[in-house]
Amino acid sequence: AQTVTQSQPEMSVQEAETVTLSCTYDTSESDYYLFWYKQPPSRQMILVIRQEAYKQQNATENRFSVNFQKAAKSFSLKISDSQLGDAAMYFCALTSGSRLTFGEGTQLTVNP
Amino acid sequence: EAGVTQFPSHSVIEKGQTVTLRCDPISGHDNLYWYRRVMGKEIKFLLHFVKESKQDESGMPNNRFLAERTGGTYSTLKVQPAELEDSGVYFCASSQGGQYYEQYFGPGTRLTVT
Repeated sequence: AQTVTQSQPEMSVQEAETVTLSCTYDTSESDYYLFWYKQPPSRQMILVIRQEAYKQQNATENRFSVNFQKAAKSFSLKISDSQLGDAAMYFCALTSGSRLTFGEGTQLTVNP
Repeated sequence: EAGVTQFPSHSVIEKGQTVTLRCDPISGHDNLYWYRRVMGKEIKFLLHFVKESKQDESGMPNNRFLAERTGGTYSTLKVQPAELEDSGVYFCASSQGGQYYEQYFGPGTRLTVT
């Protein structure tokens, strides 16, 4: 069975600062993908960033980057230069097939 | 291009009643998924369609839940009879392919069973 754990139910950051959201996972598969999804208030969940497990290089999408530590089964999300629009629930997810396994989410607040 | 849509956005029903949730995927997406988030817990997989066929329904909690996808287009998820523990947010997602393709999520249907 696959599991995803997000140990920070809530986080806050000052606008323009950097914040890191934590995620650990467990899987027996050797080939899998990891994702961070973002759900703004009353809006649809959207994909923020994706990491293929076979790639050693950490994925980056503009202000969003990940720190993928395969041996430690850790997949943290770093948001640089935080903006008010980054306030949302962030979900870490894992797939080795078609279904996604999610963590419980981290509610991020961005303070002006 | 229209995204994944779900109807209704919110449903309140009494225990023992029946509710049907609908999901319209992005046009051309053969893969359709249902997920559920109960009481602030993690989002859990319910089932996966490829066109009109159920590829994986191992996440369906019990036989009170019935999912269909007639003609491989929209999908419905019926709960009959509803129980209190069925309350939560039901998400639908669609993708172009299976496995590692990005899943596009709908806004969810919030189901409250009283």
